[in-house]
Amino acid sequence: DADVTQTPRNRITKTGKRIMLECSQTKGHDRMYWYRQDPGLGLRLIYYSFDVKDINKGEISDGYSVSRQAQAKFSLSLESAIPNQTALYFCATSDSLGQGFTDTQYFGPGTRLTVL
Amino acid sequence: RKEVEQDPGPFNVPEGATVAFNCTYSNSASQSFFWYRQDCRKEPKLLMSVYSSGNEDGRFTAQLNRASQYISLLIRDSKLSDSVTYLCVVNLRGSSNTGKLIFGQGTTLQVKP
Repeated sequence: DADVTQTPRNRITKTGKRIMLECSQTKGHDRMYWYRQDPGLGLRLIYYSFDVKDINKGEISDGYSVSRQAQAKFSLSLESAIPNQTALYFCATSDSLGQGFTDTQYFGPGTRLTVL
Repeated sequence: RKEVEQDPGPFNVPEGATVAFNCTYSNSASQSFFWYRQDCRKEPKLLMSVYSSGNEDGRFTAQLNRASQYISLLIRDSKLSDSVTYLCVVNLRGSSNTGKLIFGQGTTLQVKP
């Protein structure tokens, strides 16, 4: 079984709809992340959480919100989806051995989201 | 200027060839460096960390040049399975000690039989 899972794997929705992407991990890591990937651009950080009570905005948090329901679960919501949020979304986890972002990131399989 | 820049390629090489990629970063406060590999829009996976003294893992060698602010990845004896996108990743030290992770856009390698 995969250590980091994401649901759904693919989603097509319409402008203005609220969408939730879910991420679960069995690695026992405290740190979790949400990224989006667009063609020709590197992965960009949306939100991150270093433990259950810690939520931080990343580089591109506008239009997104997150919830850390438990150590193993971190969900990303698009409150009112718009077409430029069409992208590949990755959840990731990491250990907390090092400071900040120094530990290996373990990614989920991704969610391909299309907003029409 | 992008914080982390890579030549997107694609680099086309025959099986068995040696190929090298460079990645430049703009911020001298960058703290740690990594190469990840990503296969055809699947999830990225760590290939190797890059240490100041350079490091090798089988056919892969990574080098860091802090003075010129670039890292490199050398692949020897290329295999068909090396045909993926290589992501250069830089951890930038921040004032809050958290820092941030910057991903390059990736360099695509195509190894031909």
